[in-house]
Amino acid sequence: QQQVKQSPQSLIVQKGGISIINCAYENTAFDYFPWYQQFPGKGPALLIAIRPDVSEKKEGRFTISFNKSAKQFSLHIMDSQPGDSATYFCAASKPGGQNFVFGPGTRLSVLP
Amino acid sequence: DTEVTQTPKHLVMGMTNKKSLKCEQHMGHRAMYWYKQKAKKPPELMFVYSYEKLSINESVPSRFSPECPNSSLLNLHLHALQPEDSALYLCASSLRARDTGELFFGEGSRLTVL
Repeated sequence: QQQVKQSPQSLIVQKGGISIINCAYENTAFDYFPWYQQFPGKGPALLIAIRPDVSEKKEGRFTISFNKSAKQFSLHIMDSQPGDSATYFCAASKPGGQNFVFGPGTRLSVLP
Repeated sequence: DTEVTQTPKHLVMGMTNKKSLKCEQHMGHRAMYWYKQKAKKPPELMFVYSYEKLSINESVPSRFSPECPNSSLLNLHLHALQPEDSALYLCASSLRARDTGELFFGEGSRLTVL
């Protein structure tokens, strides 16, 4: 119940394409869903986050779609660029930041 | 640029050595964290400090000893480590412990135990 599942494990997209990464959770007590981006040799960086009272949040080329009834959320990267090549982690936490948990990660490669 | 600074970036130590990892942030955050990350895995929480007091210890072996001298500094003292402890050690901070969804990570210290 504390886990967050994430797919695919790896993803290869052509430059200009759309990258889609999916996550699912079981515990309905989770109320905050961030995405972190990690480049090789660097620490993760917060990319975008959503709370379950909205179904979509967009920041530039990055969009989170949230389906509360299905307990799923996804990250869409529009017009993917080689500079987006990184590992992406979805995550979830309960109210008060308790039980923060990362998904297993998706390694994205955007081909030039 | 990250506002959480970790030193050293790389560390090689033998199993009998004593070394320390250091972390510093000047964002006024009152919660600081140590995570361990193995290759191709997500970060795993080790310790949480809230207002300079240890609030969470995720059953970490005693060969890892955290210390929070003040609200800006976090240390991780290492002693008698095992080769399987080789990993990327990440420091993170958040405004308060209840903001653990909004973590600011450092670039990490790559530890190799021989």
